[in-house]
Amino acid sequence: AQSVTQLDSQVPVFEEAPVELRCNYSSSVSVYLFWYVQYPNQGLQLLLKYLSGSTLVKGINGFEAEFNKSQTSFHLRKPSVHISDTAEYFCAVSGFSGGSNYKLTFGKGTLLTVNP
Amino acid sequence: NAGVTQTPKFQVLKTGQSMTLQCAQDMNHEYMSWYRQDPGMGLRLIHYSVGAGITDQGEVPNGYNVSRSTTEDFPLRLLSAAPSQTSVYFCASSSASSYNEQFFGPGTRLTVL
Repeated sequence: AQSVTQLDSQVPVFEEAPVELRCNYSSSVSVYLFWYVQYPNQGLQLLLKYLSGSTLVKGINGFEAEFNKSQTSFHLRKPSVHISDTAEYFCAVSGFSGGSNYKLTFGKGTLLTVNP
Repeated sequence: NAGVTQTPKFQVLKTGQSMTLQCAQDMNHEYMSWYRQDPGMGLRLIHYSVGAGITDQGEVPNGYNVSRSTTEDFPLRLLSAAPSQTSVYFCASSSASSYNEQFFGPGTRLTVL
């Protein structure tokens, strides 16, 4: 079984400020990790993913995330946010072992609001 | 490629009515899933399929049925709608070789009165 905890339900920031959205996971097997973004009234879009290799992964729109196995974390960061980054962000984990690598478990989401 | 398509976009039902939410993908993906999204709950898996003719239950399957007769289509049926099924429903698909990177449809907003 696996679970995801997004530590902040809402994060308000000012435009051009840095932001970090926190995500912790638990799993009894090795994992793939994802961040998705959902703009208002839209579906989910993949922002970035960690599969293996370098623990720092870069995604679209200037976002990056760092996989920390010892802390079971996958925090999302952006050095300077824009108004257009206002959206809900979801962290998700997929365990791979046997037949379990087709189910994603999502966190409850973090609403990022960027204010002028 | 249209990707993952869902119909309808909006639907209002009365308690006890039945309906089918349609989902189709044109990427030849093996895996397809249905999620519901409720405020503060994230996305919860309802049912999923690993190929035509194979389906299984997710986290919240009660009140929903699915079938997968073709690779492309994965309809979700509400047998007798209840107000607790008011939600936004998302269909997603992924390739067996894509490490479960899922592609999402635009969603169906369902209200049950």
